[in-house]
Amino acid sequence: NAGVMQNPRHLVRRRGQEARLRCSPMKGHSHVYWYRQLPEEGLKFMVYLQKENIIDESGMPKERFSAEFPKEGPSILRIQQVVRGDSAAYFCASSPGDRISGNTIYFGEGSWLTVV
Amino acid sequence: QQQVKQSPQSLIVQKGGISIINCAYENTAFDYFPWYQQFPGKGPALLIAIRPDVSEKKEGRFTISFNKSAKQFSLHIMDSQPGDSATYFCAASSNNNDMRFGAGTRLTVKP
Repeated sequence: NAGVMQNPRHLVRRRGQEARLRCSPMKGHSHVYWYRQLPEEGLKFMVYLQKENIIDESGMPKERFSAEFPKEGPSILRIQQVVRGDSAAYFCASSPGDRISGNTIYFGEGSWLTVV
Repeated sequence: QQQVKQSPQSLIVQKGGISIINCAYENTAFDYFPWYQQFPGKGPALLIAIRPDVSEKKEGRFTISFNKSAKQFSLHIMDSQPGDSATYFCAASSNNNDMRFGAGTRLTVKP
């Protein structure tokens, strides 16, 4: 049973370029979460999505950041016109979304974005 | 807004000692309280979790104590080992599956 798969694991972008981070949830999971972790800091919630729906994007910066979870394919976190302050580890997590299964979310190994 | 407050920020414990990390929450709708362990360069991994219908849960050397009236919960690591050195995050979620994390505690267990 494959876990949450994120790619790329490491990404280097120049200032002003676009970064696309992909996340395939665990099999059977229909809920996806994105978190950002700055060096030596905690996990900051960004967005919570179900298939084709954004449930909570209260942690997303108002500009340059967007997320989607289409009916088919992985969830994508997109950062346009990256700046040095976007350098961070971006973690995706998934859950079955079923109260019977509990609220547990499972994390991927992260995507490390470096903006040069 | 910080919905889950975690302390201490860092903790150094001697091998064989007890590591204690505390968390407090504000939202009374939270009904699931997991702890995650993260090693450098890796994603957080679920360690142990508790629901508010019990006051304590133990799994091996790891114990969660939960105080519903005080809205606090803590992680105790008994007989701490150098391999336990990692960053630990408490978290809380409600039935809408939205999960919020504490700021993390960097634990160092000295041999």
